[in-house]
Amino acid sequence: KQEVTQIPAALSVPEGENLVLNCSFTDSAIYNLQWFRQDPGKGLTSLLLIQSSQREQTSGRLNASLDKSSGRSTLYIAASQPGDSATYLCAGGYNFNKFYFGSGTKLNVKP
Amino acid sequence: ETGVTQTPRHLVMGMTNKKSLKCEQHLGHNAMYWYKQSAKKPLELMFVYNFKEQTENNSVPSRFSPECPNSSHLFLHLHTLQPEDSALYLCASSSTTGSTYEQYFGPGTRLTVT
Repeated sequence: KQEVTQIPAALSVPEGENLVLNCSFTDSAIYNLQWFRQDPGKGLTSLLLIQSSQREQTSGRLNASLDKSSGRSTLYIAASQPGDSATYLCAGGYNFNKFYFGSGTKLNVKP
Repeated sequence: ETGVTQTPRHLVMGMTNKKSLKCEQHLGHNAMYWYKQSAKKPLELMFVYNFKEQTENNSVPSRFSPECPNSSHLFLHLHTLQPEDSALYLCASSSTTGSTYEQYFGPGTRLTVT
C-alpha cells in the first residue's frame, strides 16, 4: 500500500526565515508529485507539480524538488511571510485515478 | 464562475435525511474526483470519473452514491449517513489528455451528520 508521510506535522518560524517541508513516499513508481496549500476550512490550492521526469519546479519564493530513487520531495519556502501560514499537503500521483496524500505540515509564520 | 465550484458550502443533516452535494468545473477538464477529508487523517480518494465513466470506487459505503452526468458536473448523493461521515468533502478535476494530471480543487462542502 502506498504511503505518503510529511514531516514535521507542525512548524512555527519567525518571519523572514527560509524553511523546508519534507514529503516521503513508499512507491517510487510515481507519475507526479503535487504540493498544495490549504487554509483553514478551505479547499486545496495547487502550488507546484513535478512530473517524474523532472527534478524541481520553481514558482516565486517556492521551490519543490523530487528524488524518486530516495522516495522524497521537499518544498523550500524562501523569506517566509505571515501570509504563508497554512497547511501544506503533498500528493503522490500514480495515474490519473490514483493519488495518495500526506497528512500535511501546519506552518505558522510569526510576525 | 471560474475554477471548481461546490454547493452547498455547509450542510447539516440527520441520519435519516437524503441530500446531494454538487460540483461543477469550468476548466474544460474531463476527469472529476470526490475526496473525503476527516480531522487528523489524510485526504481519501472516494470516486473518480473520466469522461463521465466511473473508473475508481475506493471501497466507499453504498450510502454515498456518485453521479456524473457530463464532464463538467459531479454529484454525491447522500442517504442514511452516520455521524462518522461528518467531514469536509472536496471535489477536484483534472485533464487526462495531457501529461500532468494536475488536480484543481473546489472549496469543499463541510458536512455535519447529527
